[in-house]
Amino acid sequence: RKEVEQDPGPFNVPEGATVAFNCTYSNSASQSFFWYRQDCRKEPKLLMSVYSSGNEDGRFTAQLNRASQYISLLIRDSKLSDSATYLCVVNSLSSNTGKLIFGQGTTLQVKP
Amino acid sequence: DADVTQTPRNRITKTGKRIMLECSQTKGHDRMYWYRQDPGLGLRLIYYSFDVKDINKGEISDGYSVSRQAQAKFSLSLESAIPNQTALYFCATSDPTRGDNQPQHFGDGTRLSIL
Repeated sequence: RKEVEQDPGPFNVPEGATVAFNCTYSNSASQSFFWYRQDCRKEPKLLMSVYSSGNEDGRFTAQLNRASQYISLLIRDSKLSDSATYLCVVNSLSSNTGKLIFGQGTTLQVKP
Repeated sequence: DADVTQTPRNRITKTGKRIMLECSQTKGHDRMYWYRQDPGLGLRLIYYSFDVKDINKGEISDGYSVSRQAQAKFSLSLESAIPNQTALYFCATSDPTRGDNQPQHFGDGTRLSIL
């Protein structure tokens, strides 16, 4: 089993739609969780950290479910510019080392 | 100016050649990382360094070496390049002074093709 698993998609949605991605992680001791955005052949960029209580940043909402070991990202009112690959990221099994484990990413295509 | 700068941005070379990819950062972060990204495989850690005297292997270090010349510089070398090292390479930094398991900040990437 991969340490971090995501549905690669692609998710094809119309503008204005709400879309949600889930990601599961294998190590119950993981403490840090992030969503990164990566545009085609560009560097990953931090979208948001994921906190235990859930957090929201504009149209983006991240949730953490420790019991089921998954995190989610909800995007409301999708824009064309949201088209990208979204990477789920979890700190590694060797905690306190700064090492992160990246999922392979979920691709989102927002259509006009 | 970018906080994490990688050079070169693109490189095409032949099998057996020695190649060095360079990374420099102005963020003042102690921790630096090298990753490669292949289609369908996501980012995989090659090497990481917590300071100039601390270098560690990642999950796919075979065929690679690194040098941490200064806090701001971390270079990756392929001593004898082979075609399956064709990939997109990223350098990243993180700041442990704000606590462990901080997010990482990436450079623009180096696209490396080995013929």
